[in-house]
Amino acid sequence: DAKTTQPNSMESNEEEPVHLPCNHSTISGTDYIHWYRQLPSQGPEYVIHGLTSNVNNRMASLAIAEDRKSSTLILHRATLRDAAVYYCILQLASGSARQLTFGSGTQLTVLP
Amino acid sequence: GAVVSQHPSWVICKSGTSVKIECRSLDFQATTMFWYRQFPKQSLMLMATSNEGSKATYEQGVEKDKFLINHASLTLSTLTVTSAHPEDSSFYICSARGFEGRGAGANVLTFGAGSRLTVL
Repeated sequence: DAKTTQPNSMESNEEEPVHLPCNHSTISGTDYIHWYRQLPSQGPEYVIHGLTSNVNNRMASLAIAEDRKSSTLILHRATLRDAAVYYCILQLASGSARQLTFGSGTQLTVLP
Repeated sequence: GAVVSQHPSWVICKSGTSVKIECRSLDFQATTMFWYRQFPKQSLMLMATSNEGSKATYEQGVEKDKFLINHASLTLSTLTVTSAHPEDSSFYICSARGFEGRGAGANVLTFGAGSRLTVL
């Protein structure tokens, strides 16, 4: 599986936008870019995924570079409940279920 | 949306006993479920892939005789930690692919809330 690189930690002020970067220079053409987050003492939670185009959902936006070698997860207004470890993961497209390989992620701290 | 339920959410047991953790897909069928383990301050590590009606596939370094996995139905997989020892204390998390529409080819996974095992 292609690897991703994320900063170990980031801080944000409450109600301000947060941009979480991810580098994936060895991404292949069939890799989807997934983002999950893990709140303390809970299982990971799906946030968003994309292939080539930018994506928006109720939780966040995903901006994908034109060459797909990097992406940015955007939380438009951070709340204290957004404090979590955010994982950027490349997932090979597959017709059958396939495991996710987690890296170390980015610990997001939201300051009141 | 797809929901994966785990039980128990936490368990404390004595060294040498066995503990069973259940993982259920509540509103969808899952022919494949994944079991992960997470130690404090570390990331999730895949332990095994559970396949309905067949043997589980274990990752390198995971003892299949110690971590017994049974996936007898399309909505239930169980992980039994046999003869548990303090070093088995960890956070165990299961997951399954719940989206059969938009997220199917992209392999979006739904995770349970996790089961925290403490072995005394």
